[in-house]
Amino acid sequence: AAGVIQSPRHLIKEKRETATLKCYPIPRHDTVYWYQQGPGQDPQFLISFYEKMQSDKGSIPDRFSAQQFSDYHSELNMSSLELGDSALYFCASSLGVGGANVLTFGAGSRLTVL
Amino acid sequence: GEDVEQSLFLSVREGDSSVINCTYTDSSSTYLYWYKQEPGAGLQLLTYIFSNMDMKQDQRLTVLLNKKDKHLSLRIADTQTGDSAIYFCAESPPRDSSYKLIFGSGTRLLVRP
Repeated sequence: AAGVIQSPRHLIKEKRETATLKCYPIPRHDTVYWYQQGPGQDPQFLISFYEKMQSDKGSIPDRFSAQQFSDYHSELNMSSLELGDSALYFCASSLGVGGANVLTFGAGSRLTVL
Repeated sequence: GEDVEQSLFLSVREGDSSVINCTYTDSSSTYLYWYKQEPGAGLQLLTYIFSNMDMKQDQRLTVLLNKKDKHLSLRIADTQTGDSAIYFCAESPPRDSSYKLIFGSGTRLLVRP
């Protein structure tokens, strides 16, 4: 079965640079979520999209933006990178058909800011 | 997560049972979830429970829910070394239109041979 695909898996950037992470959700899933997980931390919700429209926003810095495209893939853009942005970034997708909202997570993109 | 609390660490011997506890805050969460994360990997759904249930069993996993105390537990029977991982409980408050998951701080389970 197809899973959530994230790219790149690893990314190294310098401070003040820009990074873009990509996410390809499971086909026919209608909601995409982005989470940030710092070292030894729990995943923190950043932002979500339902049918290509932003549906919820969490603790996402103003330096970050995201969008979902017509083919349902999503991108997380991070500018003016700071050392504290070093983390694992997870994308997840789900299909809201009622019942439990099961989020399927990708393997994550590890961002290191030097 | 600030709303969902878990003990940080649990060490058990292979073959014993493991019990991981979680306290959540939003009593309106319809479903509660358990996810597993192995080192450097993504989050894998283990199981979930509907809030009207007290217990759910799935092979070696048993979930107990005490809705009055907002307490959730995950019991792993016959724990194996491959069960060593971080376990996150999560709630999904219906107040949030996206039904996002709010995770606990995670419990690191170490299984000793």
